[in-house]
Amino acid sequence: GQQLNQSPQSMFIQEGEDVSMNCTSSSIFNTWLWYKQDPGEGPVLLIALYKAGELTSNGRLTAQFGTTRKDSFLNISASIPSDVGIYFCAGSLTGTASKLTFGTGTRLQVML
Amino acid sequence: DTAVSQTPKYLVTQMGNDKSIKCEQNLGHDTMYWYKQDSKKFLKIMFSYNNKELIINETVPNRFSPKSPDKAHLNLHINSLELGDSAVYFCASSHWASGTTDTQYFGPGTRLTVL
Repeated sequence: GQQLNQSPQSMFIQEGEDVSMNCTSSSIFNTWLWYKQDPGEGPVLLIALYKAGELTSNGRLTAQFGTTRKDSFLNISASIPSDVGIYFCAGSLTGTASKLTFGTGTRLQVML
Repeated sequence: DTAVSQTPKYLVTQMGNDKSIKCEQNLGHDTMYWYKQDSKKFLKIMFSYNNKELIINETVPNRFSPKSPDKAHLNLHINSLELGDSAVYFCASSHWASGTTDTQYFGPGTRLTVL
């Protein structure tokens, strides 16, 4: 099945730094979602994007729906230790019964 | 208050056994899902039920059989367990209106280990 490619695969950053990650697809989606997974837990929704070009913020997190509809970006500003985890993008097409295709994940580790 | 719950949290069993994982949601959603996350953290959908009706059935061995007794529950039964079935299984739920995508809420996962 299709998988979305996320980069970077993993990253170590200093506390206080800004973080950027992206997600690319070979086909278009009309909904993009960003999830975070903590160790031993299920993914938790961070941001949902429904329109090409849309830019949405949730606290220190900002995500954008790429204009080509084949990519999305997530930025985290002023990272803190609790930002540690795996970040997943997910794409969906209306009419496909809410079927989400998940990305390969970006593992974020924050150094104090 | 737990939104999507799964039992058990951990399941260790021998190859060839049959086991079930239960999922319940108290969000009033009409659509529920089962996902499999492998050791590389790839998340892949297995099944989806809308109002107790199967709407997504990915290429999954027929040893896996989902059962939805009502809209709030979606259980996963696995027959003749194999080593490759070892993974974390996540249940999720959402509200589905006219086939549009709505946000999915995930349970805490069930880590299945087949020995």
